[in-house]
Amino acid sequence: DQQVKQNSPSLSVQEGRISILNCDYTNSMFDYFLWYKKYPAEGPTFLISISSIKDKNEDGRFTVFLNKSAKHLSLHIVPSQPGDSAVYFCAASAQSNTGKLIFGQGTTLQVKP
Amino acid sequence: GAGVSQSPSNKVTEKGKDVELRCDPISGHTALYWYRQSLGQGLEFLIYFQGNSAPDKSGLPSDRFSAERTGGSVSTLTIQRTQQEDSAVYLCASSSRQGRRDIQYFGAGTRLSVL
Repeated sequence: DQQVKQNSPSLSVQEGRISILNCDYTNSMFDYFLWYKKYPAEGPTFLISISSIKDKNEDGRFTVFLNKSAKHLSLHIVPSQPGDSAVYFCAASAQSNTGKLIFGQGTTLQVKP
Repeated sequence: GAGVSQSPSNKVTEKGKDVELRCDPISGHTALYWYRQSLGQGLEFLIYFQGNSAPDKSGLPSDRFSAERTGGSVSTLTIQRTQQEDSAVYLCASSSRQGRRDIQYFGAGTRLSVL
């Protein structure tokens, strides 16, 4: 049972354009969501998070949007840069077990110069 | 170092052998987590230690998997009688648990190959 899904395995965008990565979840108990970025042979690094009391959180070029009714979140990167090329994972946790992150399968983003 | 350290970085073993994977968390972090990433999959939660509390073992896939955390710092994940399906990257993370929801910092992982 995949509680967090990233249905697009890969995405390719041109440098300077917007990258939009999507994530869907099924568990209505999830109330905290995170995005991690992973380069090859490295561990995932935290990018941005959002609590379910918000519908948007922004940090520089990165913005995460949360649509609770649709159980959907998205990560927008504007403008995209070649250094953003990596695998992006969304993750979720519930208040009942805040230490347990449930991850999606990841989306490989390629930003072309 | 300042980050989460895992060793070995790569481990090749024969089916049926036992393996131990080590994780050194960030100094002062009270919470430690183990995940694994199989080929083409996301990260799968395995186990979570928080201070002196009983660990959350709900993600361990079988009784061949166990983990301990000595002195509230270093952790060892042990896989007994390894099987080919255990081949994956095993990732360790730690966090400070100072806030209600804190950030988990990951190591680079141990790539386990079971032949």
